[in-house]
Amino acid sequence: GAVVSQHPSWVICKSGTSVKIECRSLDFQATTMFWYRQFPKQSLMLMATSNEGSKATYEQGVEKDKFLINHASLTLSTLTVTSAHPEDSSFYICSALPLTSGDEQFFGPGTRLTVL
Amino acid sequence: AQKITQTQPGMFVQEKEAVTLDCTYDTSDPSYGLFWYKQPSSGEMIFLIYQGSYDQQNATEGRYSLNFQKARKSANLVISASQLGDSAMYFCAMREGLEGYQKVTFGTGTKLQVIP
Repeated sequence: GAVVSQHPSWVICKSGTSVKIECRSLDFQATTMFWYRQFPKQSLMLMATSNEGSKATYEQGVEKDKFLINHASLTLSTLTVTSAHPEDSSFYICSALPLTSGDEQFFGPGTRLTVL
Repeated sequence: AQKITQTQPGMFVQEKEAVTLDCTYDTSDPSYGLFWYKQPSSGEMIFLIYQGSYDQQNATEGRYSLNFQKARKSANLVISASQLGDSAMYFCAMREGLEGYQKVTFGTGTKLQVIP
């Protein structure tokens, strides 16, 4: 149980295009999902907290208009990187907090984004 | 100030031996949770063990145990009987507060390599 998927697992895009990453909780409902970014050989940095049916809460320094988050249902949150540039190339990981047990986040497998 | 400090960028351990990965934390909140995650080269974050600030006993999960020294603000991970599959990055993390929706901050990680 407690499986989180991400799609796509990797994506290569041209500079200036937008990329959407999906995060799904497959066997549980999650009112809260988290989006992290991890640069090579670095730690995970929280970008934003996504709550179903409301606006996401962004961490300081994260551009809201660049990283659009939508949490439209209890099992799906999406992160859209708008007008991507090479410096946005990174590993993006989501996690989901089960509705019924509020202690542990379950992580997705991550999405590797490369912007050319 | 760093909230989570992992001072060992890399560690080596002989197969079947035990290894301790260090983690110190900094918080003024009396309620907090401490986590350890394993990240293999594939990228997914695997939850290993959790310790709440009010837990009286050190957490254990199979070969993993958390050496929780509250006064010293340390939460070291002990892996007993190391296996080749334990080679990975290990991240210590802290949540200030005991609610699952609250922010988790990660340390910089320790790369563990198990030698045959």
